[in-house]
Amino acid sequence: GDSVTQMEGPVTLSEEAFLTINCTYTATGYPSLFWYVQYPGEGLQLLLKATKADDKGSNKGFEATYRKETTSFHLEKGSVQVSDSAVYFCAQGGSTLGRLYFGRGTQLTVWP
Amino acid sequence: DGGITQSPKYLFRKEGQNVTLSCEQNLNHDAMYWYRQDPGQGLRLIYYSQIVNDFQKGDIAEGYSVSREKKESFPLTVTSAQKNPTAFYLCASSIEPGAYEQYFGPGTRLTVT
Repeated sequence: GDSVTQMEGPVTLSEEAFLTINCTYTATGYPSLFWYVQYPGEGLQLLLKATKADDKGSNKGFEATYRKETTSFHLEKGSVQVSDSAVYFCAQGGSTLGRLYFGRGTQLTVWP
Repeated sequence: DGGITQSPKYLFRKEGQNVTLSCEQNLNHDAMYWYRQDPGQGLRLIYYSQIVNDFQKGDIAEGYSVSREKKESFPLTVTSAQKNPTAFYLCASSIEPGAYEQYFGPGTRLTVT
């Protein structure tokens, strides 16, 4: 069935460090893939997306590439800032139209 | 500004009482969703509605009820049958039935004691 697995946190980094948060999906076909970010006490915001294999989504310095061969959509940022501290969720579009399946979230803390 | 409004931000209730969480959107979106978020468990889908006057159960619908009488409104009632209702509740919408990109409200934190 449809499911998303993302690396468990928490992840703690120093400012300007390189970030990778792993995400793999299980689905038939070519699901749309998303990364959402949640700041403390708030709802989720769409960070980036990719809708077909080899697409690269990017926003605010974050990038993720849709890899069909490894069923992955890892989130990367070359130089994190304190303001990037948040919970990051990977999600995939399900076989039921309109349904999204979310990973458990990865807490990122960036220290100055 | 277009967006999704959830009110109130914090809600406190006694055990055994039903409580209704509000979700309103002015994005003219067709589809709306309710999720529950618990620490370390990600988001779990409670109910969703692709069009007015129609809705479907998600993965954890037991103890919850919804209505969709207007396009812009999708209230969620947490009934006394819900065994562990304390959680953060998130409402979302998408532009059309079948669209995967969802936009989220700020959430309501419900505490039942």
